[in-house]
Amino acid sequence: EVQLVESGGGLVQPGGSLRLSCAASGFTLSDHYIDWVRQVPGKGLEWVGRSRNRAYSHTTEYDASVKGRFTISRDESENSLYLQMNSLKTEDTAVYYCIRGPRGVSGTDLYFYYMDVWGKGTTVTVSS
Amino acid sequence: DIQMTQSPSAMSASVGDRVTITCRASQGISNYLVWFQQKPGKVPKRLIYAISSLQSGVPSRFSGSGSGTEFTLTISSLQPEDFATYYCLQHSGYPLTFGGGTKVEIK
Repeated sequence: EVQLVESGGGLVQPGGSLRLSCAASGFTLSDHYIDWVRQVPGKGLEWVGRSRNRAYSHTTEYDASVKGRFTISRDESENSLYLQMNSLKTEDTAVYYCIRGPRGVSGTDLYFYYMDVWGKGTTVTVSS
Repeated sequence: DIQMTQSPSAMSASVGDRVTITCRASQGISNYLVWFQQKPGKVPKRLIYAISSLQSGVPSRFSGSGSGTEFTLTISSLQPEDFATYYCLQHSGYPLTFGGGTKVEIK
């Protein structure tokens, strides 16, 4: 079964750090882009950032609200991906989802896998 | 940034109704448009990609259409299990942006 499982959420004080993990099974993580999306309970979805696949050297993109504070990295040997969150703010409080993305930039590789598999999410609470 | 304006933000409908939800992009996004459904307490689920391609396993009463900057999700005959919040997403440019959501409630 294709799935993603997030872990590492919790309660952290403002200014603190947290590292979220995303473990993949049923497919090879390095073949796919992976996105992080967050959702404040009761609110809408917000894209956080992306790690491209091995073919694109695992380059990353971030939303302006987290750029310079959040970093996405991968461990291919573990088929896992990480979201390092530093200098956390109260407005970072949300459920964080890890999501499978495309395998390429055109055709089936782009569209067929675009955010087709979501993890169950992990909750991050930033509060003093 | 590309803004995605989704309307309505909420609506009440009856089982069997035809429901239409619209997303307008602040600039042309080609066919880089995805629709998701989220039920309370659940993870979002992809319904449609590339404007009109139906996700495997999604009932055919769901359809997507549109072009350029205006896109539509249609539920041809609303079923009890369709009461949920629906989101559009553009992936034409960074940052990726979602619409604000449309909550479909029971009338």
